Amino acid sequence: DQQVKQNSPSLSVQEGRISILNCDYTNSMFDYFLWYKKYPAEGPTFLISISSIKDKNEDGRFTVFLNKSAKHLSLHIVPSQPGDSAVYFCAASEGAGTALIFGKGTTLSVSS
Amino acid sequence: DTAVSQTPKYLVTQMGNDKSIKCEQNLGHDTMYWYKQDSKKFLKIMFSYNNKELIINETVPNRFSPKSPDKAHLNLHINSLELGDSAVYFCASSQDPTALVYGYTFGSGTRLTVV
Repeated sequence: DQQVKQNSPSLSVQEGRISILNCDYTNSMFDYFLWYKKYPAEGPTFLISISSIKDKNEDGRFTVFLNKSAKHLSLHIVPSQPGDSAVYFCAASEGAGTALIFGKGTTLSVSS
Repeated sequence: DTAVSQTPKYLVTQMGNDKSIKCEQNLGHDTMYWYKQDSKKFLKIMFSYNNKELIINETVPNRFSPKSPDKAHLNLHINSLELGDSAVYFCASSQDPTALVYGYTFGSGTRLTVV
């Protein structure tokens, strides 16, 4: 039973364009949402987070949008760079002391 | 300096053997975790320790036993290894109360192959 779903296994974007990675969740108790980036043979690296009291959080080229009523969040990368090519994981938690639940990941390929 | 380090990076072993994976963090974090990434690429929580105390214990066979000698170390011991245990195991750490704002720090993973 997947509580966090990333329905697109892959996404291809040209350098300089916007990358939009999507994530849906089913658990209405989730309070925090995080995005991680993972290169092959490395561990996931934290990118950006958002709490349920916000609908947008921005950090440089990365912006996360949260739509609680739709139980949907998205990560926007603008402009996309070849170094952004990696697997992106969406994760969610009900709060401190509870597990971080991950989606299956979306592989982003940015071509120059 | 590696923040979260796991050893070994690769482990190939036969069914029925007992093996351990070690994890150490030098970040001063209070909480450590073990995650398993299976062949379908899902990252699933296995265990979580806070200051050497077990706080999360998901549905994991009791052949898996975590051990935390101090808050900087969380080792994973696996008894009677089975083919289905083949996966990549990630250790992670975090610092409350900001863990969900600044995220967990993951190690680079241990690829376990059971033959």
